[in-house]
Amino acid sequence: DGGITQSPKYLFRKEGQNVTLSCEQNLNHDAMYWYRQDPGQGLRLIYYSQIVNDFQKGDIAEGYSVSREKKESFPLTVTSAQKNPTAFYLCASSPQRTGRTDTQYFGPGTRLTVL
Amino acid sequence: GNSVTQMEGPVTLSEEAFLTINCTYTATGYPSLFWYVQYPGEGLQLLLKATKADDKGSNKGFEATYRKETTSFHLEKGSVQVSDSAVYFCALSGGGAGSYQLTFGKGTKLSVIP
Repeated sequence: DGGITQSPKYLFRKEGQNVTLSCEQNLNHDAMYWYRQDPGQGLRLIYYSQIVNDFQKGDIAEGYSVSREKKESFPLTVTSAQKNPTAFYLCASSPQRTGRTDTQYFGPGTRLTVL
Repeated sequence: GNSVTQMEGPVTLSEEAFLTINCTYTATGYPSLFWYVQYPGEGLQLLLKATKADDKGSNKGFEATYRKETTSFHLEKGSVQVSDSAVYFCALSGGGAGSYQLTFGKGTKLSVIP
C-alpha cells in the first residue's frame, strides 16, 4: 500500500537532547513537508522540500533541522535549541513542486514529549 | 500574506442534525481551498477540495462551495453521524509567493452525540 509512515508514534526526550523524527513515503512524491501542531493553533509549517538535496525554512524553523538525501525520506531533527518542543509533529507529501492544486497527504504523526 | 479564519469550536450536535462550519480566507490571486479532517490521535485526511471559483467539493456527504465574492468556503453536511466526530481544518494553497504551501485555520472540533 502506498502512503506515508512516521516513526515512532510516541517519543520522549530529556531536555538538552537532540532527537530525530522519521518520515518515509512511497508515493513517489517530489515535495515533502513538516508541520507542528499545538492545541488550538492549527498546523504551522517547519520546513519543506521540493526536490532531493534542497529544502527551505517554513514559518517556525528555529531549533529544527532537516535533510533530503533521498526522494522518499525527509527526517526532522529537533535540537536542544528548540525552546518548547513538546508537540504533535506531522509529515506530509505532495506530487508536484509548485502545483497550487495539489493535495498534501499526511502521515499519522509523532507525539514528542520533553521530560 | 495568506490567512484562514474558521469558526471556533467546540461544536456539539445531535445525530442527524445539520452541520455548518464557517471558513473565510485572505489571499492574493487564485488560491485552492481544502477541508481536512483529523480523527483523535491521527494525521490529517483530505475531505474535499475546490480549485477555482464556484467549484463545489464533495465527499462522504460533506460539501463546500468556493465563493470568491465572499472569500468563503463553508463546510456543510445535511445529517451528521457519531462517526463524524473529529477536528476539521480549512486550508488554502496558492494565491501568491510560496504558492504550494498550505495555510491552515486553527481547526474546529465537532462532537456528535447519539
